[in-house]
Amino acid sequence: GENVEQHPSTLSVQEGDSAVIKCTYSDSASNYFPWYKQELGKGPQLIIDIRSNVGEKKDQRIAVTLNKTAKHFSLHITETQPEDSAVYFCAASKGTGGFKTIFGAGTRLFVKA
Amino acid sequence: DTEVTQTPKHLVMGMTNKKSLKCEQHMGHRAMYWYKQKAKKPPELMFVYSYEKLSINESVPSRFSPECPNSSLLNLHLHALQPEDSALYLCASSEIPNTGELFFGEGSRLTVL
Repeated sequence: GENVEQHPSTLSVQEGDSAVIKCTYSDSASNYFPWYKQELGKGPQLIIDIRSNVGEKKDQRIAVTLNKTAKHFSLHITETQPEDSAVYFCAASKGTGGFKTIFGAGTRLFVKA
Repeated sequence: DTEVTQTPKHLVMGMTNKKSLKCEQHMGHRAMYWYKQKAKKPPELMFVYSYEKLSINESVPSRFSPECPNSSLLNLHLHALQPEDSALYLCASSEIPNTGELFFGEGSRLTVL
């Protein structure tokens, strides 16, 4: 079955710096790669996603890149702000192929003011 | 604000109690999910309902009993739980066909004494 590895487990940056979180997946049939942000005491919320027919997607300060050949995808946050501090989960699924989403272990991001 | 509402937000129960967690969504989604999340871990899939029928049971112990009374509601009945069942229980919903995106509630934090 699918396995998603996520690094780093903890990331600390200064406000205004960039943050990068990387994930790898194992199942080449996966075609949907969402990123969820989970703030303390809340459920995960989708912040950006990418499908396998696209190499890069950007939404204001966040961007995601996908390398299907290497089975890598990454989250990039620029101009980080204290409110970006949260746990970020990458995930992989087959989209319309089923209901299972496989999550990475999570990255705890600290943005220091 | 999340469009998936979970109640109660917090629940403390003894090992002999019977309690229920409730989830409601009005987005017209026909797939609903229960996830369990332990501290500093990603969500783990427990159950999936598709068109109000149980589609996936990830070998969850029978002390957890899901129910989907209609397309908007999802319950999780709890009986004879163990202290190791203490966790955040997350409800989620998605469209069918599943685009991949999950809409999570804020969770019910369960403590079993």
